[in-house]
Amino acid sequence: SQQGEEDPQALSIQEGENATMNCSYKTSINNLQWYRQNSGRGLVHLILIRSNEREKHSGRLRVTLDTSKKSSSLLITASRAADTASYFCATAWYRGSNYKLTFGKGTLLTVNP
Amino acid sequence: AAGVIQSPRHLIKEKRETATLKCYPIPRHDTVYWYQQGPGQDPQFLISFYEKMQSDKGSIPDRFSAQQFSDYHSELNMSSLELGDSALYFCASTFGDRFEPPLHFGNGTRLTVT
Repeated sequence: SQQGEEDPQALSIQEGENATMNCSYKTSINNLQWYRQNSGRGLVHLILIRSNEREKHSGRLRVTLDTSKKSSSLLITASRAADTASYFCATAWYRGSNYKLTFGKGTLLTVNP
Repeated sequence: AAGVIQSPRHLIKEKRETATLKCYPIPRHDTVYWYQQGPGQDPQFLISFYEKMQSDKGSIPDRFSAQQFSDYHSELNMSSLELGDSALYFCASTFGDRFEPPLHFGNGTRLTVT
């Protein structure tokens, strides 16, 4: 598998706290993306970070990428109950006509009001 | 804004039956991906199409086939269904084949095989 594990597998925090999720991968990538999934629903793209970028911000989201360690982290600041969902990282890799977007195992985040 | 449309939303089939899932991408998107997500699992890539041609193949069983039509919609055909095929099946679309912009997912088809 191109993907390693995401950790933690489950995270429970109180509203207002920050949530940090980590993702590791095994092979070289072109970019890494984070998606959110509410229970039984489709995946919603949150943020994309390219392999030559180290950090990216979008609203309350902050993503870091360390290609030397093949890892990424997603930080959600000032969490809200509505942030409760599963969060997946996905690595994008393409060479010529070969393209792959591979998802990690996901972190189930529960934000308690 | 228009999103990716999948039909049906729910499907119940018996073992050994066949099923057809449909996906209508966002207008002007030329690339479609199919993913399978078992209960509590991460989405697993099945197959993708770019400009109506198969562009990549993942862990898709031989019992499954798919195609992308001239209007860019795609269909996933599943035969000889097994209990283990019960899952959420997602379709995603994008423009181009470089994952930038990223994928837009439909709400999925929940297939239950009994």
